[in-house]
Amino acid sequence: DAGVIQSPRHEVTEMGQEVTLRCKPISGHNSLFWYRQTMMRGLELLIYFNNNVPIDDSGMPEDRFSAKMPNASFSTLKIQPSEPRDSAVYFCASSTRPGYGYTFGSGTRLTVV
Amino acid sequence: GQQLNQSPQSMFIQEGEDVSMNCTSSSIFNTWLWYKQDPGEGPVLLIALYKAGELTSNGRLTAQFGITRKDSFLNISASIPSDVGIYFCAGRVPSGNTPLVFGKGTRLSVIA
Repeated sequence: DAGVIQSPRHEVTEMGQEVTLRCKPISGHNSLFWYRQTMMRGLELLIYFNNNVPIDDSGMPEDRFSAKMPNASFSTLKIQPSEPRDSAVYFCASSTRPGYGYTFGSGTRLTVV
Repeated sequence: GQQLNQSPQSMFIQEGEDVSMNCTSSSIFNTWLWYKQDPGEGPVLLIALYKAGELTSNGRLTAQFGITRKDSFLNISASIPSDVGIYFCAGRVPSGNTPLVFGKGTRLSVIA
């Protein structure tokens, strides 16, 4: 079991550019979560999917953020256009069900300059 | 929505000391989980608790599910340098199939 795989590990981009973060959940896990971690706010839930369907995106900060899960083994989080305040570590996590123990990926550290 | 209050926010301890941290809520949870995040990595599950009053150990770690179902604590005995990191509590609410609620974490630093 390779765990939850996120790519890239690090991303540095200029303000205004589009950024796409990728996640491969654990096979057989039906729920997928995107989190953002900052010193000020801790872990924030952005959006979660159940069986590839977005269930709650109320944590997505703005329309600049979008997420998709085209199939059970892949999800993307896109920021367009990116801004410096989007700089954070973004985590993907998966689980068998929304309220059960999550397995987190190693995260993507995003820096927008 | 539900909130978990985790304390302390941070702590500095000497190697070999015992550590205690806790998590409280005004709402009832029916599962408590404790995660550890190493620097540069994602959180990893340490201990899961499923019943009020349950006391569970994992090596030097011990966690308890409070009787009121509104709190949990985590103890680390004889701390070592690799215990450094952020410890998160998380809870599952009784109603509905909803995501875990996470605390803001306790940042632990160990001085050798």
